[in-house]
Amino acid sequence: DGGITQSPKYLFRKEGQNVTLSCEQNLNHDAMYWYRQDPGQGLRLIYYSQIVNDFQKGDIAEGYSVSREKKESFPLTVTSAQKNPTAFYLCASSVTSGLTDTQYFGPGTRLTVL
Amino acid sequence: GIQVEQSPPDLILQEGANSTLRCNFSDSVNNLQWFHQNPWGQLINLFYIPSGTKQNGRLSATTVATERYSLLYISSSQTTDSGVYFCAVSYGQNFVFGPGTRLSVLP
Repeated sequence: DGGITQSPKYLFRKEGQNVTLSCEQNLNHDAMYWYRQDPGQGLRLIYYSQIVNDFQKGDIAEGYSVSREKKESFPLTVTSAQKNPTAFYLCASSVTSGLTDTQYFGPGTRLTVL
Repeated sequence: GIQVEQSPPDLILQEGANSTLRCNFSDSVNNLQWFHQNPWGQLINLFYIPSGTKQNGRLSATTVATERYSLLYISSSQTTDSGVYFCAVSYGQNFVFGPGTRLSVLP
């Protein structure tokens, strides 16, 4: 089946540690996105990538880093510089580049910092 | 930046009832989408609707871009319609979600 997978589903980390969230898609989509969702809130864009080896910052990129070495993979690293990392993280992809196309979402990763 | 508002913030319905959710945005946009987030967090795209009207089963949506609003209609609601409905807009290289409408459909 085609789709977007995120792992792990739940993640716990100690303060001061970096952690990497996985996002893989087999839809052959060009564009991929990372969002953060806090309880009771909408989604906020962290980073997006329109093509391999290229990515742009979204509204809340500080304390996060990404890479796009392969079309199907867009991992997100939450660094120790991110002051409030506890949140629900969602990855998405779309057929074409840019932000004007239908986005398809993965199941999300819930990150808790202890 | 662009502001996106949704109303009402919360809505409780009896199964079988109809509802209208509204999304207002403060500036011209390239794109508007409606999403449903189920109680387990999964987001599903409902409509890609920068303008005009679309229908998909019991759901339909209308966007009036010149007046900067979009409406999502849910008819004959079912308990599986429960969750949070988000509208999201893009302008330039930005993509902004509204705060959502939380819908609870009671059996």
